[in-house]
Amino acid sequence: QKEVEQDPGPLSVPEGAIVSLNCTYSNSAFQYFMWYRQYSRKGPELLMYTYSSGNKEDGRFTAQVDKSSKYISLFIRDSQPSDSATYLCAMKKGNQGGKLIFGQGTELSVKP
Amino acid sequence: GAGVSQTPSNKVTEKGKYVELRCDPISGHTALYWYRQSLGQGPEFLIYFQGTGAADDSGLPNDRFFAVRPEGSVSTLKIQRTERGDSAVYLCASSLAGLGSPLHFGNGTRLTVT
Repeated sequence: QKEVEQDPGPLSVPEGAIVSLNCTYSNSAFQYFMWYRQYSRKGPELLMYTYSSGNKEDGRFTAQVDKSSKYISLFIRDSQPSDSATYLCAMKKGNQGGKLIFGQGTELSVKP
Repeated sequence: GAGVSQTPSNKVTEKGKYVELRCDPISGHTALYWYRQSLGQGPEFLIYFQGTGAADDSGLPNDRFFAVRPEGSVSTLKIQRTERGDSAVYLCASSLAGLGSPLHFGNGTRLTVT
């Protein structure tokens, strides 16, 4: 079993829809949780960064972390065709520098 | 300033050859990381530098892989006796010092071993 599980999709939604992306994990030592967006043939771009449990909002994006359930989510409101990309969750323990553990990535397509 | 820069963007090599991949981190970032991403997968950790020294090289798959960062800035990932299974996108990232600092990635080098 992988440490971080993420449904690879693909996920297709109409423009304006609310998108929900999720990851589960098995290691309770993870403390930092991130969402990256990756366009084709580009590097991952940091979207959201959260420490421990709780919610964080930035524009149309909301990240949620539920450490008791080992479950993190990213919500995208009013989705746009430009949001079409692969979304990667990532997490790390507090004592491991930059050693991020990534999910497989979910491919999202927003149709006009 | 500029983001993380990786060269070359694409590299095609024959099985058994030696390759070097270069990473220029964001100016002022003391931490530098190498990841490898296979098609349809998330990036996998290879090695992490804090300054000039490798703080964690636990992700290097075998002794054919080696990375250096002699002056604490530019880093080179070196792969000896390449194999077809080494084909992947090699990503470099950098960050400020500190466990909570987020990573900023380059666009990667796409390595193809024929």
